[in-house]
Amino acid sequence: AQSVAQPEDQVNVAEGNPLTVKCTYSVSGNPYLFWYVQYPNRGLQFLLKYITGDNLVKGSYGFEAEFNKSQTSFHLKKPSALVSDSALYFCAVREMNRKLIWGLGTSLAVNP
Amino acid sequence: GAVVSQHPSRVICKSGTSVKIECRSLDFQATTMFWYRQFPKQSLMLMATSNEGSKATYEQGVEKDKFLINHASLTLSTLTVTSAHPEDSSFYICSALISSGYEQYFGPGTRLTVT
Repeated sequence: AQSVAQPEDQVNVAEGNPLTVKCTYSVSGNPYLFWYVQYPNRGLQFLLKYITGDNLVKGSYGFEAEFNKSQTSFHLKKPSALVSDSALYFCAVREMNRKLIWGLGTSLAVNP
Repeated sequence: GAVVSQHPSRVICKSGTSVKIECRSLDFQATTMFWYRQFPKQSLMLMATSNEGSKATYEQGVEKDKFLINHASLTLSTLTVTSAHPEDSSFYICSALISSGYEQYFGPGTRLTVT
């Protein structure tokens, strides 16, 4: 069965420092991978996706993610964190029937 | 582009009453919409997949007679929580699958409180 793991419940980083939010996946076949962000009491916003092609995917708000097939990872990164990046981040993989399988989320706190 | 709206954003109802939540794709057509439930500080739980013009597909453990889903057009899906109870209190989020078939776009969510 397909699954997604976000090993960290919480990530803390100082403003201006680089940030990484980790995601690993388990799929049969080629993975379709996604990152979403959720601000408090809000719906989810799409950040970026990997379908095929270049392993480094650039997305919204300066975020990027690197697809690593050998490590089955799709970590979310940003070179310089902002306080406004503080939110809940979800990694997801899409099944063949188009349903998304979600990680449990990682709470990112960027400290001023 | 790719905006999904939900209405209402918040609703408080009495136990035993029914509540309807609307989900609209504002600038694109969505043959498939999804309804999720989210508990505080938890991930999303898929409740059902809604396909335009056909019956919704419910996830295991979700009561289809309690959570009625209608997807009557390519831009509108509704979720009706029937005979609501306090344990139905939650954050309900819909999403719409864009026609390219890859990305889902999410509504802002509806906070339901049953008293």
